[in-house]
Amino acid sequence: SQTIHQWPATLVQPVGSPLSLECTVEGTSNPNLYWYRQAAGRGLQLLFYSVGIGQISSEVPQNLSASRPQDRQFILSSKKLLLSDSGFYLCAWGGHYYGYTFGSGTRLTVV
Amino acid sequence: SQKIEQNSEALNIQEGKTATLTCNYTNYSPAYLQWYRQDPGRGPVFLLLIRENEKEKRKERLKVTFDTTLKQSLFHITASQPADSATYLCALERAGNNRKLIWGLGTSLAVNP
Repeated sequence: SQTIHQWPATLVQPVGSPLSLECTVEGTSNPNLYWYRQAAGRGLQLLFYSVGIGQISSEVPQNLSASRPQDRQFILSSKKLLLSDSGFYLCAWGGHYYGYTFGSGTRLTVV
Repeated sequence: SQKIEQNSEALNIQEGKTATLTCNYTNYSPAYLQWYRQDPGRGPVFLLLIRENEKEKRKERLKVTFDTTLKQSLFHITASQPADSATYLCALERAGNNRKLIWGLGTSLAVNP
């Protein structure tokens, strides 16, 4: 069966520090992968999606970036975090025919 | 711009009753509509998907309807249980292959024993 792993679960980082969140998928090949952010009182905001290795589409201009170095690995990064980067980050895979599977999320607090 | 509205107020119902949640959308031509459940501090969990040419979809105690004329989807949980308490999100994907979902803010459901 397909599973999605996301880590860490929680993270507290100072302003200006770098960020790296990792997501891996098992049990499927060539998945569509997504990074979402969910801020308090706001809906899910799509940040990046990828349809294959090295293929990244950005939805929101910001100081975050994403990379897909391997078929089932998706990484969210930042060189310098801002306070506004705080939120709940979710990795997901899937497609419109069968819904999306989300990871357990990373709660990021920038202080 | 596309907009999705879900009941912002929490829904409180008694165990055993049917819970009905609403999802309305504007300026949109959806191809698929999806419903998810989200528990506090967890990622959303996919429940049901309904296509634009389908009127109704069922899965165990869950039922989703899709009315493209009214631009509305209803999500029903029959014989509700306290374990059904969670936030329920609806999401739309536009016709066309852009792989992007538009999400509602969710409705919080509390089922009281």
